[in-house]
Parts: sequence; structure tokens; C-alpha cells
Amino acid sequence: AQTVTQSQPEMSVQEAETVTLSCTYDTSESDYYLFWYKQPPSRQMILVIRQEAYKQQNATENRFSVNFQKAAKSFSLKISDSQLGDAAMYFCAYRGGYSGGGADGLTFGKGTHLIIQP
Amino acid sequence: EAQVTQNPRYLITVTGKKLTVTCSQNMNHEYMSWYRQDPGLGLRQIYYSMNVEVTDKGDVPEGYKVSRKEKRNFPLILESPSPNQTSLYFCASSLSGTIHGYTFGSGTRLTVV
Repeated sequence: AQTVTQSQPEMSVQEAETVTLSCTYDTSESDYYLFWYKQPPSRQMILVIRQEAYKQQNATENRFSVNFQKAAKSFSLKISDSQLGDAAMYFCAYRGGYSGGGADGLTFGKGTHLIIQP
Repeated sequence: EAQVTQNPRYLITVTGKKLTVTCSQNMNHEYMSWYRQDPGLGLRQIYYSMNVEVTDKGDVPEGYKVSRKEKRNFPLILESPSPNQTSLYFCASSLSGTIHGYTFGSGTRLTVV
């Protein structure tokens, strides 16, 4: 079974600075997908960024980027120019590829609570 | 608007009283899942469904039932709720093909007393 580990229960960053959230995972599959979800106080789950394991290029979405290290099974999220609206829980999630069906949903880490200091 | 709709958003019930949390999506997604979220544990999958009449257990299925009689609906049934099922529940759906992330409902906060 796949596991996802987020080793930082809480992180704090000054507004406008850069912060990196860590995520590692364990899998025996070669084809899979990784995601970061944001959960603000409204509790809505919002997809932030996704990465296909077969792509070497790191995904980027505006101020959000990932550092995907497939051999190390590491998938960190970097938030640049942090804003007050970035304050939330962030979850790293794994989804199996076609060899695993992909229908069996997401495996989540336990989350990192990100605090933005004004 | 493309969305996953869960109802109710909040529910307080008593131990042993059967309840159903409804979930409906309007995106013609094949895959649907239920998760529970507990502090310090993240989200854990309860059940998932690949399509109509095809469901399977996730990581924490005990005490829950699901059905998928129509593609758009995936209700979660608690036949005899217990206090340890007090949690925040999410329904989610996805197109087949794993590049797609899951779209989540707004969550149901369930308290069993």
C-alpha cells in the first residue's frame, strides 16, 4: 500500500517570503500522480497543483511550484511571495497510475498547517 | 456550475440512529469516493466507486455502507452510528484517467452523541 508522509505539522512564514512544505511517499508503482490540496478555514478542498510521475519537469502554477524528486520519492511544495490568503492546511496526495487502476482514490498525508505572519 | 454537492453540511445525531449523507455530482464523473477527516490523521478513504454498481472498501470502511445506483449519486449510510464516527466527511469525484484530480464537496460535519 502507498503511504504519504508530511513531516511538518505546522509551518510559519512572513508575508511576502517563500516557504517550502515537505512531502515524501512510498510506492512500488512506476506510474502515478501527485497532488497538493489546500484546505482554508472554510474547509473546502482546493486543488493547488499536480505532477505526473513520468514528467521530469516540475509543475508550476503562478506562485506555487513543486520540487519533484522521483528517485528520492519526494514532492515538496514551494509558495513564493506568501500572502495572507495562503494560510491553510495543505495536504499532499498520491494517486496510482493506470497499472493500479486509478479508481481507488487518493492517499493523503496528515497535512501541514501553514501560518502567514503579517 | 460543475460541482459535488453534499447534504447536510452539519448533522448532530444520537448513537444508533440510522442516517444517510447524500452526495451528487453534475460532471458525469465515473469515479467517486468518500473520505473522513480527523485532526492529526488527514483524510482517510472510506469507500470508493469506479462506476454504477461497482464499489469497494477503502482504508476505514467499518460501520459504513455505500451504494451507486446512478452515476451521479453516491450516498454514505451509517446504519448504527457511534461516537467514534464523529468526523468531517467529504465526498469527491473524478473523471477516469488518473491525471485528473478529484473534485471535493463542501464537507459534512457529523457529531454522534
